[in-house]
Amino acid sequence: QKEVEQDPGPLSVPEGAIVSLNCTYSNSAFQYFMWYRQYSRKGPELLMYTYSSGNKEDGRFTAQVDKSSKYISLFIRDSQPSDSATYLCAMRKNNAGNMLTFGGGTRLMVKP
Amino acid sequence: DTGVSQDPRHKITKRGQNVTFRCDPISEHNRLYWYRQTLGQGPEFLTYFQNEAQLEKSRLLSDRFSAERPKGSFSTLEIQRTEQGDSAMYLCASSADVIRTDTQYFGPGTRLTVL
Repeated sequence: QKEVEQDPGPLSVPEGAIVSLNCTYSNSAFQYFMWYRQYSRKGPELLMYTYSSGNKEDGRFTAQVDKSSKYISLFIRDSQPSDSATYLCAMRKNNAGNMLTFGGGTRLMVKP
Repeated sequence: DTGVSQDPRHKITKRGQNVTFRCDPISEHNRLYWYRQTLGQGPEFLTYFQNEAQLEKSRLLSDRFSAERPKGSFSTLEIQRTEQGDSAMYLCASSADVIRTDTQYFGPGTRLTVL
């Protein structure tokens, strides 16, 4: 079983919809949580960074972390066709190394 | 552009050949990471450097792989005797050494195809 699980999709939504993307994880040592967006054949681009449990909002994006359930979410409001990409959750432990452990990514398609 | 850069962007090679990739991190970042990403999967950690010291290596980094970061600036990743299973996107990331807000920024990747 992978440490970080993410539904691969694809998730197809109409333009303007609210999108919910989720990851579950098994290791309680993860303390820092990130969401990256990756367009086809490009490198991942950091969207959101959160520490511990709670919510963080940035424009149309909201990240939620529930450490008690080992569950993180990314919400996208007023989705746009330009949001069509693969969304990767990533997390790391609070120790030396800071290597990131990624989910497999969810492919999102926003249709005009 | 002050982001992470990687060269080449694409590499096609024949099985058994050696290949070398280069990564130039964001200039003030002292940590540098290499990841590998196969189609439909998330990136997987390979190795990381703090300044010129290679501090951690994944079990994915077989003895055919070697990484260096001379002088703590750019880094190279070499794969010897390439195999078809090495075909993947090789991603480099860099970060500043700040524990609470240590954020990794990725380069565009080098896509390797082994024929």
